[in-house]
Amino acid sequence: DAGITQSPRHKVTETGTPVTLRCHQTENHRYMYWYRQDPGHGLRLIHYSYGVKDTDKGEVSDGYSVSRSKTEDFLLTLESATSSQTSVYFCAISESRSIYEQYFGPGTRLTVT
Amino acid sequence: AQTVTQSQPEMSVQEAETVTLSCTYDTSESNYYLFWYKQPPSRQMILVIRQEAYKQQNATENRFSVNFQKAAKSFSLKISDSQLGDTAMYFCAFMIPFSSSGSARQLTFGSGTQLTVLP
Repeated sequence: DAGITQSPRHKVTETGTPVTLRCHQTENHRYMYWYRQDPGHGLRLIHYSYGVKDTDKGEVSDGYSVSRSKTEDFLLTLESATSSQTSVYFCAISESRSIYEQYFGPGTRLTVT
Repeated sequence: AQTVTQSQPEMSVQEAETVTLSCTYDTSESNYYLFWYKQPPSRQMILVIRQEAYKQQNATENRFSVNFQKAAKSFSLKISDSQLGDTAMYFCAFMIPFSSSGSARQLTFGSGTQLTVLP
């Protein structure tokens, strides 16, 4: 299994509070991704990173920001959480120009009340 | 934009039998990759199989194989000798490896098919 951890694994927070989710990898992979999973939608890309300090938006980026100051860490921040951001969040990593598989972390279940 | 459609929200199969999960996609790209991921109740996303669009030969991984029909934009997953541990949500996903629009290496997922293997 790829060395990917996510923290916290579960979080309950109130509307309007800031929340930061952390993804940590030990594989030294270049690419990192944040997805959210909601019923009926599969997984949708929020943001991704193609290197330290290099990030870009995905399909559902509104209300989210990211940062990557080290290869191994990719942070997802909800500046002011809303109930619509209640979801399961997955981090993924991939490496190499010729290998395109993405390997996923265990997920974080976030509930915004 | 690419879209991936899984038209079977739920399926069931008897243990030891064969089942096929359907996936169709829409793209104007000629170079792309297709994947099947499995998500068991543990919630972990597990890569099952990968297919490169430029390869005509269908990918196989042990009991899992695909039927890739590029002209029809179809990518079905066949599970042979189904086992109880195959019970999971299965997601079809699409990726463009290179793109000038910045969408390279992003996975686009279908909505999933819940497969239940019955004893």
